[in-house]
Amino acid sequence: NAGVTQTPKFQVLKTGQSMTLQCAQDMNHEYMSWYRQDPGMGLRLIHYSVGAGITDQGEVPNGYNVSRSTTEDFPLRLLSAAPSQTSVYFCASSYTADEQYFGPGTRLTVT
Amino acid sequence: AQSVTQLGSHVSVSEGALVLLRCNYSSSVPPYLFWYVQYPNQGLQLLLKYTSAATLVKGINGFEAEFKKSETSFHLTKPSAHMSDAAEYFCAVRTNAGNNRKLIWGLGTSLAVNP
Repeated sequence: NAGVTQTPKFQVLKTGQSMTLQCAQDMNHEYMSWYRQDPGMGLRLIHYSVGAGITDQGEVPNGYNVSRSTTEDFPLRLLSAAPSQTSVYFCASSYTADEQYFGPGTRLTVT
Repeated sequence: AQSVTQLGSHVSVSEGALVLLRCNYSSSVPPYLFWYVQYPNQGLQLLLKYTSAATLVKGINGFEAEFKKSETSFHLTKPSAHMSDAAEYFCAVRTNAGNNRKLIWGLGTSLAVNP
């Protein structure tokens, strides 16, 4: 089992560029989520999904899109990157949102 | 609505000393509570969870937490700190909103262990 994998590990974008952060899990989990982690602000939920074809917004969804076409994959799209989106992004998966398994994170810098 | 407050953003202990990390919750329904740990440059991993069974919950690496309903607390303890315990610790409560369950996170407590 690879668990939860995220690519890339590091990314530098210029303001206005778009990109997709990839997340995949091989545990057949229905629940997947994207968080951003910023100093002093803990983890903030961006978007989550309770199964293929079903997504919902978290507390900070603006500027991000998600889709869930398969159980395994849950990509996060930045539509037009802004410096405020500089952060560390974590993808997580679980059966029921309880015991969440986290990926190693993507460190994104927007200049 | 559920919420979590972690008291103390930084805690420093000596190696071998007691570790106590504080977490208070707010919930209108019986809560499911969690402690997660994040080692430097890694993702989070589950340390332990309370799901309305025993009030004293044992986790990995010698950590345990006690659910106290009267105090709305779920503090994390370890009798003797080890250098390898230096990490960020997060308390979380699960919302019970039907199928759209989420974890509500505290802001985290950074634990430093001094030799």
